[in-house]
Amino acid sequence: EVHLVESGGNLVQPGGSLRLSCAASGFMFNVYGMTWVRQAPGKGLEWVSYIDSGSTIIYYADSVRGRFTISRDNAKNSLYLQMNTLRGEDTAVYYCARVMGSFLTNIFDYWGQGALVTVSS
Amino acid sequence: QSALTQPASVSGSPGQSITISCNGTSSDVGAYNYVSWYQQHPGKAPKVMIFEVSNRPSGVSNRFSGSKSGNTASLTISGLQAEDEADYYCSSYTGNSAPYVFGTGTKVTVL
Repeated sequence: EVHLVESGGNLVQPGGSLRLSCAASGFMFNVYGMTWVRQAPGKGLEWVSYIDSGSTIIYYADSVRGRFTISRDNAKNSLYLQMNTLRGEDTAVYYCARVMGSFLTNIFDYWGQGALVTVSS
Repeated sequence: QSALTQPASVSGSPGQSITISCNGTSSDVGAYNYVSWYQQHPGKAPKVMIFEVSNRPSGVSNRFSGSKSGNTASLTISGLQAEDEADYYCSSYTGNSAPYVFGTGTKVTVL
């Protein structure tokens, strides 16, 4: 059974940094692209970042480009999101999700339970 | 990249059919057949209900169907049931450096 478990969510001050992790199990992690999607409290879904299976194709939303870095360690079946220069508007639940097929397909078929990041002084 | 436009809310009685629209542009919804729909119950992670405009993942009820015309995609739920009450989001591939965009979300209420 596919499982994705996020960790690392926390309260952080504006301008601070945080690293989220997503532990994957139940599937061949090294053949799937992965993505991060966030949801601010009471708001809709916002796509954040994508990384392909070999870390050669990486994309970011305009709102986080230059501040966030996505990475993965296939040996550890883990996905990461390094978040720097955090702002209040980054406050959200962050979900990791598996991407089925190529990055074109836009199919996020399995999701984690989410990690809450709160940016506040 | 602006969010795709969905109605804020749609409601229907049990057994009825409802349709949720997802308005994009000729650069996203209109350009590619890579439109997905997600269902999200309160406090839960989203679940994919439709992919590539009209395909259902294994295990998703055939009461859910998708279509597209021009720059607008649609999700239809037939035989509405209480368990269908949730938020629904469309999503499209955009073909640019930020390749995915979600819709604004629609709250479905079963009366």
